[in-house]
Amino acid sequence: QVQLVEFGGGVVQAGRSLRLSCEASGFLFSSFGMHWVRQAPGKGLEWVAIISHDGSEAYYADSVKGRFTISRDNSKNTLYLQMNSLRAEDTAVYDCAKDLGGLLGIFDSWGQGTLVTVSS
Amino acid sequence: DIVVTQSPVTLSVSLGERVTLSCRASQRVSGNLAWYQQKPGQAPRLLIYGTSTRATGIPARFSGSGSGTECTLTINSLQSEDFAIYYCQQYHNWPLTFGQGTKVEIK
Repeated sequence: QVQLVEFGGGVVQAGRSLRLSCEASGFLFSSFGMHWVRQAPGKGLEWVAIISHDGSEAYYADSVKGRFTISRDNSKNTLYLQMNSLRAEDTAVYDCAKDLGGLLGIFDSWGQGTLVTVSS
Repeated sequence: DIVVTQSPVTLSVSLGERVTLSCRASQRVSGNLAWYQQKPGQAPRLLIYGTSTRATGIPARFSGSGSGTECTLTINSLQSEDFAIYYCQQYHNWPLTFGQGTKVEIK
């Protein structure tokens, strides 16, 4: 059974940095692309970033490009999101999600999310 | 970016009814559309991908159809556990984009 558990959320001041982690279990982590998706309070879903199974490729939403970096450690079955220069509009629940394949762009399993609140 | 638009925003329905949710992309997506269900306080769940392929474990009352820039999610005989928000998502191009969601509520 796929399990994805996010860590690292909290309250941070605008302009500061935060790193999120997502620990994966129940599947062969190193074989699948992984995503971060966020949801602002009371709002819809917004895709943030994807990383390929081996970390060689990554793509980002325009809203976070240049500020956020997605990475992974396959030896630890862990996905990361380094968030720099945080803004109030980055306030959201951040979910990690498993791709159905490599870089298909289909989210077939999700974590419960970690809340990031950026205070101005 | 591909803009995904869902309609209606809210749908009030009764148990047992057939429900049809619509999704339109701003350009052709070659069938690369998925549907997700999200209940309050829960993570989204993949229902349909490839416009019409049900994900593992999804009941047969959920079906998807469409072509070009339009797609539809149909729920036959709505059950109590189906009241939720439904999101359409395109994965034809980066960045991946979602529709704004359709809330299916009890009439």
